[in-house]
Amino acid sequence: QKEVEQNSGPLSVPEGAIASLNCTYSDRVSQSFFWYRQYSGKSPELIMSIYSNGDKEDGRFTAQLNKASQYVSLLIRDSQPSDSATYLCAVNTNAGKSTFGDGTTLTVKP
Amino acid sequence: DTEVTQTPKHLVMGMTNKKSLKCEQHMGHRAMYWYKQKAKKPPELMFVYSYEKLSINESVPSRFSPECPNSSLLNLHLHALQPEDSALYLCASSHPGRENFGYTFGSGTRLTVV
Repeated sequence: QKEVEQNSGPLSVPEGAIASLNCTYSDRVSQSFFWYRQYSGKSPELIMSIYSNGDKEDGRFTAQLNKASQYVSLLIRDSQPSDSATYLCAVNTNAGKSTFGDGTTLTVKP
Repeated sequence: DTEVTQTPKHLVMGMTNKKSLKCEQHMGHRAMYWYKQKAKKPPELMFVYSYEKLSINESVPSRFSPECPNSSLLNLHLHALQPEDSALYLCASSHPGRENFGYTFGSGTRLTVV
């Protein structure tokens, strides 16, 4: 089992719709969870971090964490073509390193 | 300054060459990382420096040699690389012990080994 698994893509949504990205992790001692956005040919950019169970909202982005289910998700409301990118889920343990999922490629169609 | 600067942006090197990748940050971060990313794959951790000391080496071949001369600089020395080492090399930084703030990545060095 992979340490961090993301829902297989690619994911395509129409402009203005909600995009839902999911991630599960295997290590129960994981403490911090992140979503990075990576445009083609560019480096990853941190867009959301979450540490406590529940929801965290930042603009059009909402991260959700359920530690009991070892599940973290990212919702993008009112999706825009500029949101088209690969979204990487990352998980930190006490070891102080981030392990990344394989990523989900999102395409938002105008 | 909220950036991590990597140089060069592109590098082509032969299998017998020696080259170095450089990374610099002035955010006061005391943890710095090297990641390797192949096309359509996630970043893979290579090395972690915490307070200028190597804390994690993910069993990286010795043809990759990291160096952290001071709290702002991180180098990756390359020697006798193989074509399969061609990839995007990413530097990142964070506050050690505050990794829950996430990483700031540099723009990367795209390395081609011929």
